[in-house]
Amino acid sequence: EVQLVESGGGLVQPGRSLKLSCAASGFTFSDYNMAWVRQAPKKGLEWVATISYDGSSTYYRDSVKGRFTISRDNAKSTLYLQMDSLRSEDTATYYCARGRYWGQGTLVTVSS
Amino acid sequence: DIQMTQSPASLSASLEEIVTITCQPSQDIGNYLSWYQQKPGKSPQLLIHSATSLADGVPSRFSGSRSGTQYSLKINRLQVEDTGIYYCLQGYSAPPTFGAGTKLELK
Repeated sequence: EVQLVESGGGLVQPGRSLKLSCAASGFTFSDYNMAWVRQAPKKGLEWVATISYDGSSTYYRDSVKGRFTISRDNAKSTLYLQMDSLRSEDTATYYCARGRYWGQGTLVTVSS
Repeated sequence: DIQMTQSPASLSASLEEIVTITCQPSQDIGNYLSWYQQKPGKSPQLLIHSATSLADGVPSRFSGSRSGTQYSLKINRLQVEDTGIYYCLQGYSAPPTFGAGTKLELK
């Protein structure tokens, strides 16, 4: 059974950093591209970033380019999202996703 | 970026009614269109992929179709458990973009 479990969310002040993790199991992690998708409170879904199966290629939405870094450790079957220079508009539940499979999400709140 | 215009934003329907939600992309996306259902406090669940293919385990009352550049999700014989928010997603070109969502409630 495919499982994606996010962690690392929490309350953080504007301008600070946070690193999210997504532990994957139930499939060969190194075979798949992975993505982060977020959802601000009471709002719609918004793609954030994608990383290729081997980590060689990464893609970001414009609003997070230069601030967020997606990475992966295939030996640990874990996906990461390093978020720097956080802004209030980054407040959202962050989901790790592989195609039809999504984690339960982790809430990031950026507030002073 | 490809814009996905989803309608209606909300609708209220009765049990057993037929419901249709549409998405109109701002440019051609071929069949790279999927539909998701999201319930409160839960992650989205895939219903339809490749515009018309039913995802594994999804009830057959859900169906997807394409007419020209318009994509539709149809729910036959609406059930209580079908309430929630529905989103379309285009995966044709980067960045992937979602529709704004349709909130479906029971009348």
